Amino acid sequence: DTGVSQDPRHKITKRGQNVTFRCDPISEHNRLYWYRQTLGQGPEFLTYFQNEAQLEKSRLLSDRFSAERPKGSFSTLEIQRTEQGDSAMYLCASSLPIRDRRTNTGELFFGEGSRLTVL
Amino acid sequence: SQKIEQNSEALNIQEGKTATLTCNYTNYSPAYLQWYRQDPGRGPVFLLLIRENEKEKRKERLKVTFDTTLKQSLFHITASQPADSATYLCALEGAGTYKYIFGTGTRLKVLA
Repeated sequence: DTGVSQDPRHKITKRGQNVTFRCDPISEHNRLYWYRQTLGQGPEFLTYFQNEAQLEKSRLLSDRFSAERPKGSFSTLEIQRTEQGDSAMYLCASSLPIRDRRTNTGELFFGEGSRLTVL
Repeated sequence: SQKIEQNSEALNIQEGKTATLTCNYTNYSPAYLQWYRQDPGRGPVFLLLIRENEKEKRKERLKVTFDTTLKQSLFHITASQPADSATYLCALEGAGTYKYIFGTGTRLKVLA
């Protein structure tokens, strides 16, 4: 399977602990996105990368969240000092380079997500 | 602030009927609007893209319209089937931003 893969799929942690999620995008995709989704809501934008550059980070993110994409391949999302409000599904998505918007849909390919439960 | 709204209530329809879902937005001028399907516990899956200069797009039993004056997109599934039951999300992208903002989603249930 050459889709977007995320690890771990589930993580249960105690409040105050740090957690890290990993995302491996589809190999030829240069853009990588992180979203957070809670029950009954749509995905909430967190940040995105083009190659290794982090181009935008949501103002909703506190300083406890950090994301990296070294060498423009896989990405990690770290949450420090977790709080119960961080409990959610963390979704990663990637997309192809867009050279011509007349022919390229810019569709996002999502992974299955990493579900975080903070006790 | 930017706001994207979809029917918050679940939509139940009978098999064979046409399902119509709405996506309304405010304080935003998207150049592209996408629709995704999401099944429980899974990531969203892309269905259709419509551009700001397009009024309508079709793909098999799916039809999307985009009215930039009303700031609204409608998503239609004709001849609906129980297998179409899922949550449907709209996502907006501003020109040149490559940043996609999602709506809240509408849960559709097609009754056999």
